[in-house]
Formats: sequence, structure tokens, C-alpha cells
Amino acid sequence: KNEVEQSPQNLTAQEGEFITINCSYSVGISALHWLQQHPGGGIVSLFMLSSGKKKHGRLIATINIQEKHSSLHITASHPRDSAVYICAVFLMNRDDKIIFGKGTRLHILP
Amino acid sequence: KAGVTQTPRYLIKTRGQQVTLSCSPISGHRSVSWYQQTPGQGLQFLFEYFSETQRNKGNFPGRFSGRQFSNSRSEMNVSTLELGDSALYLCASSLYYEQYFGPGTRLTVT
Repeated sequence: KNEVEQSPQNLTAQEGEFITINCSYSVGISALHWLQQHPGGGIVSLFMLSSGKKKHGRLIATINIQEKHSSLHITASHPRDSAVYICAVFLMNRDDKIIFGKGTRLHILP
Repeated sequence: KAGVTQTPRYLIKTRGQQVTLSCSPISGHRSVSWYQQTPGQGLQFLFEYFSETQRNKGNFPGRFSGRQFSNSRSEMNVSTLELGDSALYLCASSLYYEQYFGPGTRLTVT
């Protein structure tokens, strides 16, 4: 079983829909990172979380440390939000430091 | 501030050869991490350097090595290339946890 699981793997939605991407992990973490990767490979940091909730524009990220779960929400989705969204966890007391989910491929239709 | 830069952007090598990739971090960032991204395995952590010392290491064979210079620039080296080393190699710099990614080097091994 992977230590970081993302769902769904793929998501297609209409412009304007509310989007939720989930990340569950089974290891002790010090922080969680949501990343966005566009075609061509460039990766952009969206949020760093260690507790609670953060909001930036139409993006909201939440984390529940007790339940080992984080969600990324996109309100009023737009075709430019189409990308792969990756969850990454920073590990406590492990040399391999950070592990990534497999990503969620999001496609927003106009 | 200039972002993270990586050179070269594309590289084609033959099995058995070695390769060196370069990463220049954001000014003031002393931590540089390297990642490998493949379609099958996704993103995986290679190693992290901080102040010229390797601080963390992922589960990769000893053919993968790196170093960091006094100006925080970093190089990674892969010796005796295998077909499976074909991947996008990303570096990221950070002040604390949040990773700022470079555009990557796409390595193809034939």
C-alpha cells in the first residue's frame, strides 16, 4: 500500500464546478505540500500546511492531522486550472524526507 | 528574484555513459533537493543538500550522487546510465519546507 494516496486519479468537470481532490497518508508528517504541474513539467507550489486551512484566491486547502487527510478545493473552476495536482508529505524522522502522491489529473471543460 | 534554473533542459545519452545535471537555486536558499519523475513511479526524492552537506537521501542506488558548492549551486551525477534512468529530473530550492521547483532536465537514455 502506498504511504500517500490521492483520489481521484483523473477528474473531468465543467467550467464553474466545485472541485475536491483528496490526499490520505499513513505516516507521521511534519508538513504537507500541494503542488500543481502543467503540461511541459513545470511544478508550482500551491500550499504548505501543517494544520488547519489555507486559502489563496479560488483555492482552499485543508488538513486534518488526526485523520491523516488533506483536501484541495477549487471553487468556480476554469479551464486554466487543468493540470496535475500532487500532494507531498514531509516525513518525520526518516531519511527519505518527502514522498509524493501519484497525482490527480484535472481537466476542466469550457 | 530569479527562479530556480536547471541546465541542460534536454539531454540524450547512451546506456553506460554518465551524466551531470546542474541546478542554481533561488538567491538566499541554502537547501537544494533533487527529484526524479517517471510515468510509472511519479515523483521520487533523490537527495537534499544543505550548506554543501547531504542532509537526506532517498532510496536510489549509489550510481546517483550529488554535491553542492559554496554558492549553493548543486550538481547531480548519474553514472553507468540505464534505460530506466530516462526521466524528468527536477531540482528545488527552499528556505524552510516549501519547495520552489526548477523547470527540470529531461534525460533520455537510449
